[in-house]
Amino acid sequence: AQTVTQSQPEMSVQEAETVTLSCTYDTSESDYYLFWYKQPPSRQMILVIRQEAYKQQNATENRFSVNFQKAAKSFSLKISDSQLGDAAMYFCAYRTSYVQGGSEKLVFGKGTKLTVNP
Amino acid sequence: SAVISQKPSRDICQRGTSLTIQCQVDSQVTMMFWYRQQPGQSLTLIATANQGSEATYESGFVIDKFPISRPNLTFSTLTVSNMSPEDSSIYLCSARGRMTDTQYFGPGTRLTVL
Repeated sequence: AQTVTQSQPEMSVQEAETVTLSCTYDTSESDYYLFWYKQPPSRQMILVIRQEAYKQQNATENRFSVNFQKAAKSFSLKISDSQLGDAAMYFCAYRTSYVQGGSEKLVFGKGTKLTVNP
Repeated sequence: SAVISQKPSRDICQRGTSLTIQCQVDSQVTMMFWYRQQPGQSLTLIATANQGSEATYESGFVIDKFPISRPNLTFSTLTVSNMSPEDSSIYLCSARGRMTDTQYFGPGTRLTVL
């Protein structure tokens, strides 16, 4: 079974600075999807960025980018020019690209709580 | 991306009772899912809601406890039956459209069982 590990329960960053959140995963599959979701206190899960495993190029969405190291099974999230609104829980998630028995479940890490200091 | 709404947003219930949570998507989607997020924890998939047929449950979740319906492509319900304090969690609905591999989430339902 796939597992996702986020080794940093909490992180903090100064406003306008850059922070990197770590995520590692374990799988025997060669094709899959990886996601970062953000959950602010409102509890709405918001997609931050996604990466297809077959793509070598790292995904980028405005101030958010990933460092995808497939061989190392690592998928870190870099937030540049941090803003107060970036404060939230960040969850890394894995999804198989192979639909098995109708399940496309997302496997989540335990999350990293990001605090942004003014 | 799909816009997903859930009702109720929160509720406080007595043990032994049942609560039905509704999930509405603003467009037709291929897949709908129900997740549970226990206090301070990550999300765990309860089941995949299949249109017109029985839901597909993950290990540790059973239909008698969490009956799910999906009568059409945009609507699903999750019932939490015979509740106990251990069922206090946030319950989230998600959906995936036909042309995407991404699941989008509703705002969640915060359930407290006394």
